[in-house]
Amino acid sequence: DVVMTQSPLSLPVPLGQPASISCKSSQSLAHSDGNTYLNWFQQRPGQSPRRLIYKVSNRDSGVPDRFSGSGSGTDFTLKISRVEAEDVGVYYCMQGSHWPPYTFGQGTKLEIK
Amino acid sequence: QVQLVESGGGVVQPGGSLRLSCVASGFTFSTYGMHWVRQAPGKGLEWVAFTRNDGINNWYADSVNGRFAISRDNSKNTLFLQMISLRDEDTAMYYCVKGHYPGFDYWGQGTLVTVSS
Repeated sequence: DVVMTQSPLSLPVPLGQPASISCKSSQSLAHSDGNTYLNWFQQRPGQSPRRLIYKVSNRDSGVPDRFSGSGSGTDFTLKISRVEAEDVGVYYCMQGSHWPPYTFGQGTKLEIK
Repeated sequence: QVQLVESGGGVVQPGGSLRLSCVASGFTFSTYGMHWVRQAPGKGLEWVAFTRNDGINNWYADSVNGRFAISRDNSKNTLFLQMISLRDEDTAMYYCVKGHYPGFDYWGQGTLVTVSS
């Protein structure tokens, strides 16, 4: 199984400052079809998860452009250019290149400092 | 707009059974693979099962293989998860999730399963 490792697990950030979350996979997520199936999700307190980014760097409709995804192979990053209060929650990376199983990172809890 | 509405959760004793349902709307259900993903209280996300659009092929997490069965009724836009031999560690919120490659683009609100004596 592909193991997804996120860091940090806790991320206190002042309002308006940038934030960065790392996600590393135990093997390359490059798929034979040429895509890399790495998604990022946001789960606000008391809500269902919401997909933010798909295939490493594609932002979902309605996701603010302060969110960006990058990376390749085994190393991926979610960046928030300027943290806002509504960004508080837990962020998960997930791989869909080598399944079953689909595997998630442990989650990174972002809070306002 | 896409909606996924789960139901069927509740309190069940260890060893018991439960059947979850998820009614989909706002998209052509029969053309999309569907997943169940769960989240134990205060914990992270765990993929549980996936079924292709035609329901013929299904895949499971090792933790539920042989105890859970995913199925679908495309005529009723409904996804199911039959759970038997339930254990304490199956206690979780169960989410119905749309899509495949890349997928996971829409999630339901979840239905809570509590396994307790």
